[in-house]
Amino acid sequence: AQSVAQPEDQVNVAEGNPLTVKCTYSVSGNPYLFWYVQYPNRGLQFLLKYITGDNLVKGSYGFEAEFNKSQTSFHLKKPSALVSDSALYFCAVFLTGGFKTIFGAGTRLFVKA
Amino acid sequence: GAVVSQHPSWVICKSGTSVKIECRSLDFQATTMFWYRQFPKQSLMLMATSNEGSKATYEQGVEKDKFLINHASLTLSTLTVTSAHPEDSSFYICSATGTGRAEAFFGQGTRLTVV
Repeated sequence: AQSVAQPEDQVNVAEGNPLTVKCTYSVSGNPYLFWYVQYPNRGLQFLLKYITGDNLVKGSYGFEAEFNKSQTSFHLKKPSALVSDSALYFCAVFLTGGFKTIFGAGTRLFVKA
Repeated sequence: GAVVSQHPSWVICKSGTSVKIECRSLDFQATTMFWYRQFPKQSLMLMATSNEGSKATYEQGVEKDKFLINHASLTLSTLTVTSAHPEDSSFYICSATGTGRAEAFFGQGTRLTVV
């Protein structure tokens, strides 16, 4: 079965420190990978995507993610966290065959001042 | 990026009434739209996929007679929650994609509360 895993329910980090939110996937074929952020009672905001090309993808608000094919991972990173980064983060895979998006369970990020 | 507008952003209705949620693609033709439901502190669960001009494909366990989906044009899809009950209270999110696009774009979501 095709799936996306976010192993951490919650990540806590101090402001100014680097942050990593983990994501691994299990899909057939070449994945289209995405990260979205969700603030309370809001829809999803697109952060970044990997489709092809450079494994290191840079996105909105200083976030980046690295596609690792051998480890089937697509971890989200930011060199220096801000309190305003506190939100719910979703990793997702777009299945080009079935034309659907599969989401991970989400990781809640808390950045403490 | 492309813009998807969802309306209303929140709604409160009485038990037994029906509620319609609209999802519009503002600057592209949405050949396919998706409706998701999100419970508190949980991920998005796909309810159904609709292609313009055809019947929606519902995920297993989703009642098609309760959650009516219409995708009559390339810019509009609607989700109608019929005879709503308190257990239908949730956050509903739509997304849309179009021909040649590698990703889907999401609406702002609708918070439905049934009292």
